[in-house]
Amino acid sequence: GAVVSQHPSWVICKSGTSVKIECRSLDFQATTMFWYRQFPKQSLMLMATSNEGSKATYEQGVEKDKFLINHASLTLSTLTVTSAHPEDSSFYICSARSTGVGEQYFGPGTRLTVT
Amino acid sequence: AQTVTQSQPEMSVQEAETVTLSCTYDTSESDYYLFWYKQPPSRQMILVIRQEAYKQQNATENRFSVNFQKAAKSFSLKISDSQLGDAAMYFCAYRSANYNNNDMRFGAGTRLTVKP
Repeated sequence: GAVVSQHPSWVICKSGTSVKIECRSLDFQATTMFWYRQFPKQSLMLMATSNEGSKATYEQGVEKDKFLINHASLTLSTLTVTSAHPEDSSFYICSARSTGVGEQYFGPGTRLTVT
Repeated sequence: AQTVTQSQPEMSVQEAETVTLSCTYDTSESDYYLFWYKQPPSRQMILVIRQEAYKQQNATENRFSVNFQKAAKSFSLKISDSQLGDAAMYFCAYRSANYNNNDMRFGAGTRLTVKP
């Protein structure tokens, strides 16, 4: 089946620094990738939708200057959390939609802890 | 905007018994997809079952089946012969068939406990 990877799986960073999370579709091309955020014991909340080669579309309330998304190729999207603060600590999940079939597949998630 | 509601924060079932998880949604669209995802402690989202809105027949996948009531906008998941490995968070999700607007929207989730 289609596989989506995320790197790193867990990252700890100091407050004020930036951290980049990669999302890759390993065996299919993804025109569109989605970034979700999940707080403990809560549901997945869509942060932004990115299309290859164009600017991401952010959900209301999500700071585009804080959460930078780059979808540079059909197999890679990155989420950069800039000037991270402890309240940014969360579980970030990416999802990639297959160009051909249109199915959506989820990565294993990245746990971000900001100290 | 579409919304998905799961009114059962927690459910419990005895091993080998049957349990039904509820989900309702709100949409003005006629063509869409509905999903049930399982999220175990590893937090990897696992697709359990999917239903196309244009299909009247309820989807089934082995021990998992749905009761899709389009007019009532209801989409419940039935797990038969529950197993210990079924214990997880279950999320109901909606996705529009409109390719330009089809990000996936999730309900709040139901935590399922399976008692041995």
